[in-house]
Amino acid sequence: ETLLTQSPGTLSLSPGEGVTLSCRASQRVSSNSLAWYQQRPGQAPRLLIYGASTRATDIPDRFGGSGSGTDFTLTISRLEPEDFAVYYCQQYGNSPWTFGQGTKVEIK
Amino acid sequence: EVQVVESGGGLVQPGGSLRLSCAASGFPFSNYWMTWIRQSSGKGLERVANINQDGSEINYLDSVKGRFTISRDNAKNSLYLQMNSLKPEDTAIYYCARVIFMGAMGPWGQGTLVTVSS
Repeated sequence: ETLLTQSPGTLSLSPGEGVTLSCRASQRVSSNSLAWYQQRPGQAPRLLIYGASTRATDIPDRFGGSGSGTDFTLTISRLEPEDFAVYYCQQYGNSPWTFGQGTKVEIK
Repeated sequence: EVQVVESGGGLVQPGGSLRLSCAASGFPFSNYWMTWIRQSSGKGLERVANINQDGSEINYLDSVKGRFTISRDNAKNSLYLQMNSLKPEDTAIYYCARVIFMGAMGPWGQGTLVTVSS
């Protein structure tokens, strides 16, 4: 099983700041098959990025994904109030599909 | 609007059964893989089961094999999860989602809570 480790666990930031979240896989993720999700309190996860770097439909361009192999990042260029949430990575290149434990981005 | 809506959760005793349903709309349901995911405070997010377009290919989380059965009815645009021999560790919010781009998931439904407790 491919273990995904996200860091840091929690980030305290102010609106307008930029942020980079990390997702490291225990083995190479085939075909860069990595997705990022945002989960706001009381809501279901929402797909942000797939294929490591492609934004999903209606996702603002302040969200960006990059990386390959075992190291992936999600970047938010300027935090909006609605961006304070938990972010999860998920790999679907290796069986079984697995999720990271999440990074919480909270308001400072 | 593309959406999925889960139902069927509830409180059940250990060893009991529940059947979850997921109603899909706004997209050609029969063209897509579908999946059930659960979220618990102890284990985080786990992909429980996947099913392909015609039900001929299915994958399960190891811990639910032999107890859970995923199925679909393309005529009714519906996905199901039959859960038998439920254990306390199955307690979670269960989400259904459409599978896109070979394994990404979206949209997700609002989830249905399953609580296994005596």
